[in-house]
Amino acid sequence: GNSVTQMEGPVTLSEEAFLTINCTYTATGYPSLFWYVQYPGEGLQLLLKATKADDKGSNKGFEATYRKETTSFHLEKGSVQVSDSAVYFCALKGAGTALIFGKGTTLSVSS
Amino acid sequence: EAGVAQSPRYKIIEKRQSVAFWCNPISGHATLYWYQQILGQGPKLLIQFQNNGVVDDSQLPKDRFSAERLKGVDSTLKIQPAKLEDSAVYLCASSLEHRANEQFFGPGTRLTVL
Repeated sequence: GNSVTQMEGPVTLSEEAFLTINCTYTATGYPSLFWYVQYPGEGLQLLLKATKADDKGSNKGFEATYRKETTSFHLEKGSVQVSDSAVYFCALKGAGTALIFGKGTTLSVSS
Repeated sequence: EAGVAQSPRYKIIEKRQSVAFWCNPISGHATLYWYQQILGQGPKLLIQFQNNGVVDDSQLPKDRFSAERLKGVDSTLKIQPAKLEDSAVYLCASSLEHRANEQFFGPGTRLTVL
């Protein structure tokens, strides 16, 4: 069945450091891929998405590229801020199937 | 635009008791989802409604969990009787019909079963 594997955290960075959170997936067909973010005390928010191979999703300085050849959708940001501290979830959705989430990666950014 | 509303935000109960959670989706969203998020894991879909009909409840433990969306708007998720392993955050989400790629999540209800 479909599944998502993302790197374990916590990830601890200093402000302005480069961020990568790895995400790989297993799926039949051509799923859509997502990154969701959960800030402390808040609900899940869609950060970015990509619906087909080679698409790049971007938002708030974050980017992720849908790589079908490596079944990956790694999240990157060139310069993180303290306000980016949150839990990040990679997710996929196939046609007619439920949204499936990874376990989440906690990011902590210090000034 | 108001977001997805959920109540209560927190609930503590003893095992074998019953509990109910309420969700009011974004106005005009025909599709409503309930997810269970156990600590340290990603959310897992329990049930999906399209208007007041069930689309997917394959992951719902039907011996103890039930959900309804009688008028196609707000929804209630019930657990009866609760077990220790039901301790989790219960998330409600909604989307426009046929726009499951754009789900909007509520703040969740954190359930602790003692």
